[in-house]
Amino acid sequence: DGGITQSPKYLFRKEGQNVTLSCEQNLNHDAMYWYRQDPGQGLRLIYYSQIVNDFQKGDIAEGYSVSREKKESFPLTVTSAQKNPTAFYLCASIDSMNTEAFFGQGTRLTVV
Amino acid sequence: AQKITQTQPGMFVQEKEAVTLDCTYDTSDPSYGLFWYKQPSSGEMIFLIYQGSYDQQNATEGRYSLNFQKARKSANLVISASQLGDSAMYFCAMRGSRSSASKIIFGSGTRLSIRP
Repeated sequence: DGGITQSPKYLFRKEGQNVTLSCEQNLNHDAMYWYRQDPGQGLRLIYYSQIVNDFQKGDIAEGYSVSREKKESFPLTVTSAQKNPTAFYLCASIDSMNTEAFFGQGTRLTVV
Repeated sequence: AQKITQTQPGMFVQEKEAVTLDCTYDTSDPSYGLFWYKQPSSGEMIFLIYQGSYDQQNATEGRYSLNFQKARKSANLVISASQLGDSAMYFCAMRGSRSSASKIIFGSGTRLSIRP
């Protein structure tokens, strides 16, 4: 079955370490997105990519980096420059008709 | 700039009643799409319904319908005959059609609680 896979589901890291969150899709979607969600809050856009080798900053890109070397993959790196990285991270892609964005199950990152 | 506003942080509704969740938006893009998602406590994002800006009729999907009023820039979600399983966070979202506006932005959400 087609879908988006985020791994791992839970991630713990020490403060000051970079960490990379994986997002893979087999839906053949061109556009992919990364969101951050804090408890009880909405989704805030970190980065998005419309095609391979191209991506744009969202509203809260500082302290994060991404790459899009393959259509299927859009990994997010949370760098040590991100001041408060503990959050729930969601990856999404959208279909060619732009009528539904599909989401992964999310990664809960805790930095201690 | 694009913006989505959900003004109801939380709502309580009696089971089997209908409920309307408000969503207003702002965009200068002539073509755009509006989405509603449900997020239960597990965190997964469940797609509910989509409305295109040029769609002539309001979208419907089972118990969900979208009350689209383009001139008012509102896209309210209506849930008929609410069920206990409808208790969750609900998010309104928008995507423009121009390449510079292809990001999908979300509102702050409404927490819906259904009372038995």
